[in-house]
Amino acid sequence: DTEVTQTPKHLVMGMTNKKSLKCEQHMGHRAMYWYKQKAKKPPELMFVYSYEKLSINESVPSRFSPECPNSSLLNLHLHALQPEDSALYLCASSQAGLEPDTQYFGPGTRLTVL
Amino acid sequence: AQKVTQAQTEISVVEKEDVTLDCVYETRDTTYYLFWYKQPPSGELVFLIRRNSFDEQNEISGRYSWNFQKSTSSFNFTITASQVVDSAVYFCALSEANQAGTALIFGKGTTLSVSS
Repeated sequence: DTEVTQTPKHLVMGMTNKKSLKCEQHMGHRAMYWYKQKAKKPPELMFVYSYEKLSINESVPSRFSPECPNSSLLNLHLHALQPEDSALYLCASSQAGLEPDTQYFGPGTRLTVL
Repeated sequence: AQKVTQAQTEISVVEKEDVTLDCVYETRDTTYYLFWYKQPPSGELVFLIRRNSFDEQNEISGRYSWNFQKSTSSFNFTITASQVVDSAVYFCALSEANQAGTALIFGKGTTLSVSS
């Protein structure tokens, strides 16, 4: 089963709100990723967790705060976002090892910041 | 530096036509991995194929085929007898070896529109 689930599917929030995006996988993968994708652009990597530890942070603003509570779950906490943060947020997972393995993506959360 | 170029921004074809999506990559590593993903309007990125730099065999999966040529640093994707359901954005991506949990370097994508 190559399934990554994400909730919610859609989220509208004001600039003063605090919200969280959730991602879950049950494939036994030990690497999980957050990507941001603007319209008509490719996905851009935000964070990588490997064995529940943050291994890559692509200079993402602190208003985005990732959390990996266990090997199956990945959260992205949002606070004081800007309208330009509106995008599709994609979660992915893969095996973690010496060779880059296939990343399997979830359906994404479409975020609108008003 | 790693780079993936998909020169075709948009392609429009009529059903049953064959179509080839081009992908050219740049990397200084001798070991690397190439991927193709499909992104339909729903938004989910669907994995299509993974190929490592030591495996230059072409691959066929149903109506899909891939041509990997290291000599020209290309990894092209052909859809035979295209169907309306093939309409999507297709991304080629590159990843290097020996880096656990590393990022995919995506091309800008090719939007394929198949009309009936």
